[in-house]
Amino acid sequence: AQTVTQSQPEMSVQEAETVTLSCTYDTSESDYYLFWYKQPPSRQMILVIRQEAYKQQNATENRFSVNFQKAAKSFSLKISDSQLGDAAMYFCALALLGGFKTIFGAGTRLFVKA
Amino acid sequence: DAGVIQSPRHEVTEMGQEVTLRCKPISGHDYLFWYRQTMMRGLELLIYFNNNVPIDDSGMPEDRFSAKMPNASFSTLKIQPSEPRDSAVYFCASPLGRLQETQYFGPGTRLLVL
Repeated sequence: AQTVTQSQPEMSVQEAETVTLSCTYDTSESDYYLFWYKQPPSRQMILVIRQEAYKQQNATENRFSVNFQKAAKSFSLKISDSQLGDAAMYFCALALLGGFKTIFGAGTRLFVKA
Repeated sequence: DAGVIQSPRHEVTEMGQEVTLRCKPISGHDYLFWYRQTMMRGLELLIYFNNNVPIDDSGMPEDRFSAKMPNASFSTLKIQPSEPRDSAVYFCASPLGRLQETQYFGPGTRLLVL
């Protein structure tokens, strides 16, 4: 069975600073995808970034980047130059290659201070 | 493409009433997922469809819940009779393009059962 763990229920960052959200996962499979989703107060689930496990290069999307450590089964999200609009719930998620059941972590609520 | 469309966005009903949630997935793709999000249980997969056929409904909590996908462009999630503990945000999601493992979510329906 696959599991996703987010050990930080809440995080806080000053505007323009950098913050890292942690995620660990467990799977016996070697091919899978990892995701970070953002859920702002509007409740919309928005895909932030996606990482294929077979790729060694860490995914990057503008101010968002990941640190993917496959051996350690760790997948952290770094948000650079934090903005007030980054305040949201962030979910780490795992899906197996060719599979369709995405497993979500419990989420980390990020507060951004002006 | 307009993305995943859900209706209604908000629903308030009384215990015992029937509730029907609707979803229009991203066109041209074979999979559709229904999730429920609560504070206590987080994001739970209820059921998913492939080519209009339910593949895994193990997440459906009780017989009061049923889901259908009569065609590729429409799905419903029905709760009959509804109970206060069904209050949650219900999301519909579908993959985009060839990235079948990546799910794109609708805006959700916030259900409150009084």
